[in-house]
Amino acid sequence: DIVMTQSPDSLAVSLGERATINCKSSQSVLYSSNNKNYLAWYQQKPGQPPKLLIYWASTRESGVPDRFSGSGSGTDFTLTISSLQAEDVAVYYCHQYYTTPYSFGQGTKLEIK
Amino acid sequence: QITLKESGPTLVKPTQTLTLTCTFSGFSLSTSGVGVGWIRQPPGKALEWLALIYWNDDKRYSPSLKSRLTITKDTSKNQVVLTMTNMDPVDTATYYCAHQSYSTSWFPFECWGQGTLVTVSS
Repeated sequence: DIVMTQSPDSLAVSLGERATINCKSSQSVLYSSNNKNYLAWYQQKPGQPPKLLIYWASTRESGVPDRFSGSGSGTDFTLTISSLQAEDVAVYYCHQYYTTPYSFGQGTKLEIK
Repeated sequence: QITLKESGPTLVKPTQTLTLTCTFSGFSLSTSGVGVGWIRQPPGKALEWLALIYWNDDKRYSPSLKSRLTITKDTSKNQVVLTMTNMDPVDTATYYCAHQSYSTSWFPFECWGQGTLVTVSS
């Protein structure tokens, strides 16, 4: 089974500053036949279901602001929010859908400093 | 527009069997390249993937819960049903169903239901 580990567990960033969340998978989620990383990022606000932000490690879902970006390949990935807005306060999860059993990271709680 | 909605009991007793239904619209589970999964989240904790059923009736389960889970689909009703046996208080969680699709490659879970909170208590 693939274990997803996020860092840090929590993060406080000032408005307008950059926020960076890391995710490491215990084995590669890069599918060699199409060179795609089966890694997604979700945002979850209290009382709401997760919202898909990024898939294939770096493709932004339709309607997601361009301050959100994803990078990385293989086993190491990063979600970056370039200029933090108040509405970005949430818990963020990485998720591998490379193979079942699918798995999620433990979550990173993002707050305003 | 794809929508999903979970339904089922809000309270179950320990040792009982939980049956949850995901009713969806905007897609068909008889269409090639479509799947519906179940994910749960204990209060204040992380997401945990439980099970997935594909258009071709291929079924996948979490290894740690496989002996307790059964996922089925009713294409005519646009429903997916998850049963979990021998419920325990640690199974208290919000249970979500979500849609997955394939185009040139698999997407992750793009659309989620609002979730249903299930409490296990005597």
